[in-house]
Amino acid sequence: DAKTTQPTSMDCAEGRAANLPCNHSTISGNEYVYWYRQIHSQGPQYIIHGLKNNETNEMASLIITEDRKSSTLILPHATLRDTAVYYCIVRPNRDDKIIFGKGTRLHILP
Amino acid sequence: EPEVTQTPSHQVTQMGQEVILRCVPISNHLYFYWYRQILGQKVEFLVSFYNNEISEKSEIFDDQFSVERPDGSNFTLKIRSTKLEDSAMYFCASSRETSSPLHFGNGTRLTVT
Repeated sequence: DAKTTQPTSMDCAEGRAANLPCNHSTISGNEYVYWYRQIHSQGPQYIIHGLKNNETNEMASLIITEDRKSSTLILPHATLRDTAVYYCIVRPNRDDKIIFGKGTRLHILP
Repeated sequence: EPEVTQTPSHQVTQMGQEVILRCVPISNHLYFYWYRQILGQKVEFLVSFYNNEISEKSEIFDDQFSVERPDGSNFTLKIRSTKLEDSAMYFCASSRETSSPLHFGNGTRLTVT
């Protein structure tokens, strides 16, 4: 089963930053934090991943706390197209598969 | 940007029939996966495949399921005798290395009647 806890749903106003929290208090030293999203009727889309340091790419930023027990995905300027289910996943470094939980349903409001 | 492609996008079949779902992974990827998502439920892992053999499978992946990489580009999932409860979205994914991100296709919606 998923080793993460996420809120069931969140709202964010269009143009604002969307901050999606995730708790992973039992994470091990060799486990990465991955974020995916699933827009309605599409396949899961990779967003970003990290181990200890904060990460940023063209889609989002990932902030991992120093104790690694929680993280936040930040979408800096949310648009209506960011409405999706967002999954926070803990993945061992040597494990190929990923296991999805229920995720957070993010609604971007116009 | 290269992507995983799946065909068909929608397949309707009768209970007891065999179906083959097809996937073309990203060309330089070495690891391949199948997942399924029953309507309204979580995305569930079925099987991972590397070096022409199954590396891991879930409890869902019973003897009715099989996977194959028949040539250098395709990766298929076969369900030998479909049941009503096999109705779901089936997603194929691939990754370059064991610890690289998985990239997913947009799925095949399988409807068993």
